[in-house]
Amino acid sequence: AQRVTQPEKLLSVFKGAPVELKCNYSYSGSPELFWYVQYSRQRLQLLLRHISRESIKGFTADLNKGETSFHLKKPFAQEEDSAMYYCALTDSGGYQKVTFGTGTKLQVIP
Amino acid sequence: DAGVIQSPRHEVTEMGQEVTLRCKPISGHNSLFWYRQTMMRGLELLIYFNNNVPIDDSGMPEDRFSAKMPNASFSTLKIQPSEPRDSAVYFCASSTGYGYTFGSGTRLTVV
Repeated sequence: AQRVTQPEKLLSVFKGAPVELKCNYSYSGSPELFWYVQYSRQRLQLLLRHISRESIKGFTADLNKGETSFHLKKPFAQEEDSAMYYCALTDSGGYQKVTFGTGTKLQVIP
Repeated sequence: DAGVIQSPRHEVTEMGQEVTLRCKPISGHNSLFWYRQTMMRGLELLIYFNNNVPIDDSGMPEDRFSAKMPNASFSTLKIQPSEPRDSAVYFCASSTGYGYTFGSGTRLTVV
């Protein structure tokens, strides 16, 4: 069974400080990993996906298959980064079913 | 493209009433997903469709919940009868490949 674990419900950092949102997964095959962001009372939006190896809004995430992790990082937090962040994983069923973690609320303190 | 469209945005209903949530996926997306979001449980997948066919409804909490997708451009999630513990934000999402596009959600309050 696939599972996504985000150990922190809330992460508070000061503006300008580095951010790392943790995500670990369990999956028997080759996973596709994503990060989604949800700003206050808005829809979830795709932030980035590991296959793209991109940096969005200064965020990056590297898939570490040895540690089964996909942590989200940003070197300098900004106030507008405050939001809920969800790590997610697709299955191999061919229907793009995505399993989400429970989410981490990032609070950037001015 | 207007994205995934959900209606209504907000719904307040009394316990015991029937509630119907609606979703219009992005044209050309062949997969559609219904999620429920609560503070306690986060995002829970309720059911998903591929090419209008229900693939997995194991997340539907009880028989009070049902979902249909009569065609490629429309899906409904129905709760009958509704209960206060059904209060949540219900998201619809559609996909045709990598990643989802979510709708704005329906905030349901059952009093």
